[in-house]
Amino acid sequence: AQTVTQSQPEMSVQEAETVTLSCTYDTSESDYYLFWYKQPPSRQMILVIRQEAYKQQNATENRFSVNFQKAAKSFSLKISDSQLGDAAMYFCAYLVEEGGSEKLVFGKGTKLTVNP
Amino acid sequence: DTGVSQDPRHKITKRGQNVTFRCDPISEHNRLYWYRQTLGQGPEFLTYFQNEAQLEKSRLLSDRFSAERPKGSFSTLEIQRTEQGDSAMYLCASSEGASYNEQFFGPGTRLTVL
Repeated sequence: AQTVTQSQPEMSVQEAETVTLSCTYDTSESDYYLFWYKQPPSRQMILVIRQEAYKQQNATENRFSVNFQKAAKSFSLKISDSQLGDAAMYFCAYLVEEGGSEKLVFGKGTKLTVNP
Repeated sequence: DTGVSQDPRHKITKRGQNVTFRCDPISEHNRLYWYRQTLGQGPEFLTYFQNEAQLEKSRLLSDRFSAERPKGSFSTLEIQRTEQGDSAMYLCASSEGASYNEQFFGPGTRLTVL
């Protein structure tokens, strides 16, 4: 079964600095999709960035980028120029597709604090 | 369209009571998901609908849980004979088209079972 591991329960960063959140996953598939979702306090979860495993190029969305290492099954999120609004829980997720169904498998999350 | 909505936002009930939650997905989305999130954990998958068809139910969904999506529009999640272990945030998400498309999440229904 596919699993997702986030080894950092909490991280902190100074405003305007860069932080990297770690994620590893386990799968026997060769083609799959990975996601980072952000869940601000008392607000709904929103997609930050998505990576297709068959693409060699790392995904980038403005200040957010990933370091996707397929052989190592690693999918880290880098946030550049951190802003106070980046403070949230961040969840790494793997899309499981089987038997006509689909679902996201999430890690336990990393709580990011941004210090002014 | 303002996104995925869920009702109620909060529900407090006594053990043994039945509760029902509603999810209204984004109107053009044919795929709908329910997840459960407990404190300090990531969301866990409960069930998946494609249009009105329920294509998968997690082992987490015991016989006390039932979900429907009549006519492929809104969905309901019912929990019968609630237990304290059912206390959690219940999240609904929807997406359109291909499976790798973004799942849009609702604000969730927080259930507290006393």
